[in-house]
Amino acid sequence: DAKTTQPNSMESNEEEPVHLPCNHSTISGTDYIHWYRQLPSQGPEYVIHGLTSNVNNRMASLAIAEDRKSSTLILHRATLRDAAVYYCIPFGNEKLTFGTGTRLTIIP
Amino acid sequence: AAGVIQSPRHLIKEKRETATLKCYPIPRHDTVYWYQQGPGQDPQFLISFYEKMQSDKGSIPDRFSAQQFSDYHSELNMSSLELGDSALYFCASTRGFGTEAFFGQGTRLTVV
Repeated sequence: DAKTTQPNSMESNEEEPVHLPCNHSTISGTDYIHWYRQLPSQGPEYVIHGLTSNVNNRMASLAIAEDRKSSTLILHRATLRDAAVYYCIPFGNEKLTFGTGTRLTIIP
Repeated sequence: AAGVIQSPRHLIKEKRETATLKCYPIPRHDTVYWYQQGPGQDPQFLISFYEKMQSDKGSIPDRFSAQQFSDYHSELNMSSLELGDSALYFCASTRGFGTEAFFGQGTRLTVV
């Protein structure tokens, strides 16, 4: 399994952008980079995924380094509902494995 | 749109009893993953199935078994339950590997 490294916790003010980093230096060439988040007492929720190019959707943007060894999830305008644990997961032909994500706290 | 359905949502069992958790994936999804999440912990991968065959195995105790049926739903069977098995159990489904995973709301198992 590819190993990931994320900050244990981050804080951001409401309505400001948030950049959540992830290192995945052992990612294989065929693994996609997935991001999920988990709100308290809920199942994990898909956020975004990409392979090489940067990706945008209605929830977030994903910036992938050229060497694919790191990525950054960008929440453009954080709201209180974005408070959650965020996980980056290399995912390809093997199991979808959660590491230790980043607990994001949003300050009103 | 239909989501991943897990049943039951809550289950209380006594030590040494058995439990069966069910997971109904999104239509046309062929891959199911099971996870165990203890209080304050990250989800731990247990086992996965692709096209009704076991595709990968994680930290699943020998007391647990699982299978995926012809209609692609999956069941996690847990025997000789222990207090430490109390946790949230999630399943997820995908269409193949590497695609967007959808998670159910989980089954909260309490062993007393």
